[in-house]
Amino acid sequence: RKEVEQDPGPFNVPEGATVAFNCTYSNSASQSFFWYRQDCRKEPKLLMSVYSSGNEDGRFTAQLNRASQYISLLIRDSKLSDSATYLCVFYNQGGKLIFGQGTELSVKP
Amino acid sequence: NAGVTQTPKFQVLKTGQSMTLQCAQDMNHEYMSWYRQDPGMGLRLIHYSVGAGITDQGEVPNGYNVSRSTTEDFPLRLLSAAPSQTSVYFCASSAPGDTEAFFGQGTRLTVV
Repeated sequence: RKEVEQDPGPFNVPEGATVAFNCTYSNSASQSFFWYRQDCRKEPKLLMSVYSSGNEDGRFTAQLNRASQYISLLIRDSKLSDSATYLCVFYNQGGKLIFGQGTELSVKP
Repeated sequence: NAGVTQTPKFQVLKTGQSMTLQCAQDMNHEYMSWYRQDPGMGLRLIHYSVGAGITDQGEVPNGYNVSRSTTEDFPLRLLSAAPSQTSVYFCASSAPGDTEAFFGQGTRLTVV
C-alpha cells in the first residue's frame, strides 16, 4: 500500500463552488501534516498546516482524522486563482517529507 | 532573501553524461532533500540529509549520488544519465521538528 494516496482529479468546478479533497495515509505514526499548492510545475509552496483540532485560514479549512487516517482540504467560494495542484504532505518517522501525487483543481468562470 | 537556490534551471544531457545539480540554502536548515517530479507521479524522494555529513536514500535513489559536506549545500550527482532520468528536480530544506519545507525553483532536465 502506498504511504499516501490522493485522488488526482482533475476537479473542474465553477467559480463560487465549494470543493473538498481527501488524502489518506497508511502509517499511523505519521505526525505532521500539511497541504501544499503547486502552480504549473513550479516549486510547491505551503498552503497550510493541518492540526488535529482542524484549522481554518480564510476560505480554506483543513482537517485531520487520525482514526480513519486521512486529511482533508475544503475550499469555499472558489476563485479562478485557486486553480492549481494541491499536494498533501506529511513527515514520516525519520524526518522524511512524503508527498501525495497531487489533486488538480481547475476553477472555471 | 535567497532561500533555496537551485542551478541550473534547465539542462539537456546526452545519455551517459554525468552532471551535478547544485542546491544551496541560506536559512541554516539541517534537513535537505532532493525530489523528482514526473507527470502523474507527484514528488518522489531521491535522497535526503538530516545534517552535514549524514545522507540517506529515499524512494528512488538509483543512478544518483549525494553528499553533504556543509549545512548550506546538498548537490545531486547523476553518474551516467539515462533517458529515464528526464524529469523536473526539486531541492528542499527545512528545520527539524516537522516544519515547513522550502523549495528551490526546480531544474528541468532532459536526457536524450
